[in-house]
Amino acid sequence: GQNIDQPTEMTATEGAIVQINCTYQTSGFNGLFWYQQHAGEAPTFLSYNVLDGLEEKGRFSSFLSRSKGYSYLLLKELQMKDSASYLCAYVGNDYKLSFGAGTTVTVRA
Amino acid sequence: IAGITQAPTSQILAAGRRMTLRCTQDMRHNAMYWYRQDLGLGLRLIHYSNTAGTTGKGEVPDGYSVSRANTDDFPLTLASAVPSQTSVYFCASSDGAGGFNEQFFGPGTRLTVL
Repeated sequence: GQNIDQPTEMTATEGAIVQINCTYQTSGFNGLFWYQQHAGEAPTFLSYNVLDGLEEKGRFSSFLSRSKGYSYLLLKELQMKDSASYLCAYVGNDYKLSFGAGTTVTVRA
Repeated sequence: IAGITQAPTSQILAAGRRMTLRCTQDMRHNAMYWYRQDLGLGLRLIHYSNTAGTTGKGEVPDGYSVSRANTDDFPLTLASAVPSQTSVYFCASSDGAGGFNEQFFGPGTRLTVL
């Protein structure tokens, strides 16, 4: 997605917190998704935000600011199994998903 | 319940050959999608279908065609493969077509065109 920016890679220690930022530019906005993708596997749904604010779901939280074109995914109490790529995707005017290139998170012991 | 399946898992194909990637879902979802995933570019939408009998073009449709004869199946055809079509292809489905619904992805097909 050429209109979505997210960091390419992040590294963190087991038990720590990591925040993955995502900025987007679109003339129409109908929601923002986060997906998790382990190496060699299919993406799986993590969260969906359409209103401003924080959505918490266990160890994962997602935040959205529509006015700033900004979202983040917060991963708390990191576990080794959280090592994966995290994909930010917005729903545009065409009601289709536009994905960012993904952020690869590596969790170290 | 299998969810969404794709075949083949991987394929090496000579340039110029025709190839059909298969996708089947058993969740009775109305909408289905084909994406390609390339390193550094993320997932890009090739074609989609909001409901059986209808299809639409995504961001990168050239060189690909789809059909949606029934709810369950959504095959993707490369009429004459070229090396730039080397990629990992994911099929997905969702209960609704409005973009607000969670998409469920198949395991992917890794295609290499030589």
